[in-house]
Amino acid sequence: AQKITQTQPGMFVQEKEAVTLDCTYDTSDQSYGLFWYKQPSSGEMIFLIYQGSYDEQNATEGRYSLNFQKARKSANLVISASQLGDSAMYFCAMREWQGAQKLVFGQGTRLTINP
Amino acid sequence: DAGVIQSPRHEVTEMGQEVTLRCKPISGHDYLFWYRQTMMRGLELLIYFNNNVPIDDSGMPEDRFSAKMPNASFSTLKIQPSEPRDSAVYFCASSSGTGGIAQHFGDGTRLSIL
Repeated sequence: AQKITQTQPGMFVQEKEAVTLDCTYDTSDQSYGLFWYKQPSSGEMIFLIYQGSYDEQNATEGRYSLNFQKARKSANLVISASQLGDSAMYFCAMREWQGAQKLVFGQGTRLTINP
Repeated sequence: DAGVIQSPRHEVTEMGQEVTLRCKPISGHDYLFWYRQTMMRGLELLIYFNNNVPIDDSGMPEDRFSAKMPNASFSTLKIQPSEPRDSAVYFCASSSGTGGIAQHFGDGTRLSIL
């Protein structure tokens, strides 16, 4: 069964607009963590933001925020005031506590920011 | 601080040859992970170590793949013999089990098997 689903293979957004990248997950664990990574065209994987399942507030890191809706099992990434340098692949990932440190990744969303 | 260091960055070799990928984790990190990324299968965890001990190798595709971590600062992923379907980007990542949350990735090794 697919643990992480990213339904948007590609998105095109105008510079300076906000963008939401969708991520839904499937787990029966009560304790888990959700992550977003960015992969620019140069290929490296860059950690962006983390949300724990027991965190009551949505995580924020600069222009990144995570819209965490536990009942709906969604963990969408919101990028405010998008920039050209935000163009990249974005991956949602989950770590289930029963799986220790194991991360499961979604298929990714390719975001393109247009000037 | 130095990040995760992988070598080589690119490797092109012929089918049947032995391939060795190397990784130096971030100092102080006690978890090390090997991932493979392909267009068809996305990012897959191959194996991970805790304190140099392999914990989960269920993602290793077959016996041609092996991984070792002889000490806290070095790991290798070996493919012998290599096949064209092994062509992929291989990432090493590390994390700290105490206090750390995210896995930090190296820049990857782009492997092409001809």
